[in-house]
Amino acid sequence: SQKIEQNSEALNIQEGKTATLTCNYTNYSPAYLQWYRQDPGRGPVFLLLIRENEKEKRKERLKVTFDTTLKQSLFHITASQPADSATYLCALGDMRFGAGTRLTVKP
Amino acid sequence: ETGVTQTPRHLVMGMTNKKSLKCEQHLGHNAMYWYKQSAKKPLELMFVYSLEERVENNSVPSRFSPECPNSSHLFLHLHTLQPEDSALYLCASSQDRSGVYYGYTFGSGTRLTVV
Repeated sequence: SQKIEQNSEALNIQEGKTATLTCNYTNYSPAYLQWYRQDPGRGPVFLLLIRENEKEKRKERLKVTFDTTLKQSLFHITASQPADSATYLCALGDMRFGAGTRLTVKP
Repeated sequence: ETGVTQTPRHLVMGMTNKKSLKCEQHLGHNAMYWYKQSAKKPLELMFVYSLEERVENNSVPSRFSPECPNSSHLFLHLHTLQPEDSALYLCASSQDRSGVYYGYTFGSGTRLTVV
């Protein structure tokens, strides 16, 4: 069956460091993959979409990679700030979501 | 506000009640969705509407009944729910069903508690 796994339930890092979140999937070949941010009590907010023929996508301090051979996407936040603390979700092309990784950036 | 408005924000209902959740978007989107989010579980896609036609129903119990009267409004009618139905119910919309250009726009959700 199709499965989407985000590397860990929670990730704690120090302000200024780079946060790296992982999204792995099995039994699936998505044409694209999306990343969302969700704050407590709110709905997810769209951040980035990357297509299967794109290796990397950037938006300000965010970078996403997509390796269809490894069936994996990496989501990086550089120069992290406490305001980046949230849960980050990946979603495959048919809008199946991973369970999310809760990121906490400590000052 | 994201452009997708959900009401009410919080709802407590008994197992014998009937209630409805409402979702409204004026973004000009053609597809709308209902998702269920339970603690520590991935978002579960419940229903998909494209151009007001239901195109997907992911084995959702009949006690949940969606309605899409026009492209701007989406309802989720609830009746005889169970305590395990307590969750955050999220509505989303997208320009088209793939959401490939701008992703999906979510509302803030309705926190439902069944007692």
